[in-house]
Amino acid sequence: GQNIDQPTEMTATEGAIVQINCTYQTSGFNGLFWYQQHAGEAPTFLSYNVLDGLEEKGRFSSFLSRSKGYSYLLLKELQMKDSASYLCAVRDRGSTLGRLYFGRGTQLTVWP
Amino acid sequence: EAQVTQNPRYLITVTGKKLTVTCSQNMNHEYMSWYRQDPGLGLRQIYYSMNVEVTDKGDVPEGYKVSRKEKRNFPLILESPSPNQTSLYFCASSLSGVGAGVNQETQYFGPGTRLLVL
Repeated sequence: GQNIDQPTEMTATEGAIVQINCTYQTSGFNGLFWYQQHAGEAPTFLSYNVLDGLEEKGRFSSFLSRSKGYSYLLLKELQMKDSASYLCAVRDRGSTLGRLYFGRGTQLTVWP
Repeated sequence: EAQVTQNPRYLITVTGKKLTVTCSQNMNHEYMSWYRQDPGLGLRQIYYSMNVEVTDKGDVPEGYKVSRKEKRNFPLILESPSPNQTSLYFCASSLSGVGAGVNQETQYFGPGTRLLVL
């Protein structure tokens, strides 16, 4: 399998900016996804990176450095509804083509 | 509406009583997958299917079976459930499972099935 690490928990206040890091080790990288999951609900797609650099989508941005095996999700102008778990997932290019490996998720709590 | 549906959403059963959790998608997706989610362990893949009649094991396939006879359906079968299979199960699908970019590879998840095995 793959080794995907992300912090277990983070807290921030409304209106602030938070950065959630994800590091990974893979035999053949083929894309990285970020998903958001509210408690008891299904994960929903947030962003995708396959090339180095920053992808911006409104208040959310995601960055990738393939040489460092590193990504981050940046959330700006935090709102209470952003309290959720954020999942980093890596697509493997190698023998397990077709599989998506998930990290354990980072539980973000946004305080008023 | 484009969606992935799972049934049942909640199930309480007893050890050894065979059960099936259905998964269906209406987006003509080739790739489908089952995950289980447990506290502290995150999402772990059970089985996946790249297309009709093509299935493969994920990280935690023991105690589970799947079939993919039609493109839209991917049922998960527990032949003899045990308490350690108590979990939250998600079905997911995507257009493709092979490096074809974000539109093809983004997985869409069903609402989840919460299973309790006594």
